[in-house]
Amino acid sequence: GAGVSQSPRYKVAKRGQDVALRCDPISGHVSLFWYQQALGQGPEFLTYFQNEAQLDKSGLPSDRFFAERPEGSVSTLKIQRTQQEDSAVYLCASSLALTGYNEQFFGPGTRLTVL
Amino acid sequence: AQTVTQSQPEMSVQEAETVTLSCTYDTSESDYYLFWYKQPPSRQMILVIRQEAYKQQNATENRFSVNFQKAAKSFSLKISDSQLGDAAMYFCAYRSKRSYGGATNKLIFGTGTLLAVQP
Repeated sequence: GAGVSQSPRYKVAKRGQDVALRCDPISGHVSLFWYQQALGQGPEFLTYFQNEAQLDKSGLPSDRFFAERPEGSVSTLKIQRTQQEDSAVYLCASSLALTGYNEQFFGPGTRLTVL
Repeated sequence: AQTVTQSQPEMSVQEAETVTLSCTYDTSESDYYLFWYKQPPSRQMILVIRQEAYKQQNATENRFSVNFQKAAKSFSLKISDSQLGDAAMYFCAYRSKRSYGGATNKLIFGTGTLLAVQP
């Protein structure tokens, strides 16, 4: 596709439910990032993939958060046993490579609301 | 650890006028990138302008320009001839250039400035 796409755009979950958020990066992009944006805040880094390898997961807030990119393209962010504090917009970004300057292109985000 | 601070939660400007958004950052690194991103209500984060720290010349992109003061760790965005379509949340962001030690080159964002453009 022309840009990064994310689905669903909106997700409402009851506390305790598991959710899965999908990111389709730009074709050929090696690097993929997930960010969490709480209401009224700037995005905060969650995790990073280079192809299928998850090289940095230092931003994941708890072991309830899990991300994967098994074939080096589509990525899924899974949140188990959702809590109200998980309510946020989850942004995905991709870039062509790691080294040098490579612009991160962002998707439209998934707004997760946990009731 | 690097931090980015935007001290103006909201700003307002008249159409066709000029507005400056402020950003300060903290880092011990000598070379890095700084960015301004625009996020309209659609939530799509759009790159407005970038600056490389080793370049002394301020970056410009059409109506957008920056005032980069490396010693002061200041990186402000000037929007000239403001248009209604400029209304959005603006984020300042930092990215390390370091690629050794498994550095991720993640973006570190400020808390944003909501810009309103009055007709």
